[in-house]
Amino acid sequence: DADVTQTPRNRITKTGKRIMLECSQTKGHDRMYWYRQDPGLGLRLIYYSFDVKDINKGEISDGYSVSRQAQAKFSLSLESAIPNQTALYFCATSDFRAGSTGELFFGEGSRLTVL
Amino acid sequence: GQSLEQPSEVTAVEGAIVQINCTYQTSGFYGLSWYQQHDGGAPTFLSYNALDGLEETGRFSSFLSRSDSYGYLLLQELQMKDSASYFCAVRDTGSARQLTFGSGTQLTVLP
Repeated sequence: DADVTQTPRNRITKTGKRIMLECSQTKGHDRMYWYRQDPGLGLRLIYYSFDVKDINKGEISDGYSVSRQAQAKFSLSLESAIPNQTALYFCATSDFRAGSTGELFFGEGSRLTVL
Repeated sequence: GQSLEQPSEVTAVEGAIVQINCTYQTSGFYGLSWYQQHDGGAPTFLSYNALDGLEETGRFSSFLSRSDSYGYLLLQELQMKDSASYFCAVRDTGSARQLTFGSGTQLTVLP
């Protein structure tokens, strides 16, 4: 089983619908992240969380919300999806320690299409 | 904020050496990372440089010059499986030590 699991892997929805993307991890990391990837734009940070009680906005948080239900679970919601939220979404984790590389461990991605 | 520049595409032949450059502008620099992503797959970590110099990991090496705000990824003995996108990412000095990614370089390895 993958260390970082995202569900669903693919989703097609309509404008205005509420969508939740879920992420769970077995790595025991405190830090979790949601990134969005669009062609030619790399990965952009939506939200991140350092522990269950900590939620922080990233570069492009408008139109999104998150919930950190447990150390191992971090979900991303689109309250009212719009077509320009069509993208590939990645969840990631990291284990921050002094002197560490800050390596991110990514899930396999959730491809969302908003019609 | 941070901004990074890297070439959008690079093409090379099997067995060759290729260098992917990355220049960055940042208000606070902590380190430079490189990630590889195959089509439709998850990005995977390749290397990290916090200090000036060259870090070698097998066929891949990464270099950093903090004074020049510049780094590169060097791929030697290219193989077909190296065809992928390569992203540089800057880690900032803020409490969050967040990563900001470049737009990626699509490497195509030809037979």
